[in-house]
Amino acid sequence: AQKITQTQPGMFVQEKEAVTLDCTYDTSDPSYGLFWYKQPSSGEMIFLIYQGSYDQQNATEGRYSLNFQKARKSANLVISASQLGDSAMYFCAMRDTGAGSYQLTFGKGTKLSVIP
Amino acid sequence: DGGITQSPKYLFRKEGQNVTLSCEQNLNHDAMYWYRQDPGQGLRLIYYSQIVNDFQKGDIAEGYSVSREKKESFPLTVTSAQKNPTAFYLCASPFGRDSGANVLTFGAGSRLTVL
Repeated sequence: AQKITQTQPGMFVQEKEAVTLDCTYDTSDPSYGLFWYKQPSSGEMIFLIYQGSYDQQNATEGRYSLNFQKARKSANLVISASQLGDSAMYFCAMRDTGAGSYQLTFGKGTKLSVIP
Repeated sequence: DGGITQSPKYLFRKEGQNVTLSCEQNLNHDAMYWYRQDPGQGLRLIYYSQIVNDFQKGDIAEGYSVSREKKESFPLTVTSAQKNPTAFYLCASPFGRDSGANVLTFGAGSRLTVL
């Protein structure tokens, strides 16, 4: 069974600083995808970034980058130049891309608070 | 614009009542999913459907039912058998990005409170 672990229930970061949100995963499948979503207080889930297990380079999307260390089974999200609007819950999720389905297994999330 | 519409946004229910949450998508994808979120928790899969007229139980299907009569619609009924139905419910369907990987796209959610 797949499992996602986010060990940081809450994080604080100063505005304009960078922050790393931790995510480790466990799966026996060789082909999988890793995702990060942002959930503001409004409740919507906003897709941020995706990393495939066979991708050679770490994914980047604007201020978001994914530090993918396959041997350590970690997929940490790095947010550069934090903004007040980055304050939200952040969820790491995984999908078995070989199963023909799109369902995700989620971690419990990290609450990020950006301090002015 | 393609997207997922959930209604109602807020719903109150008395104990013993069934309630149906609506989910409509125009992403033109066959697959649809229902997740439940409790405070301080991640999302857990209730039911999913990979094609019209077919659906499968997820990890926490007890006390819930679904139907998939149309590609665009995947309603979720929270029955009186669900022991702790107060939660935030999210519907999702895949969306193909320009880079090729399909990403689950979510609706805005429905918050159910049992009085």
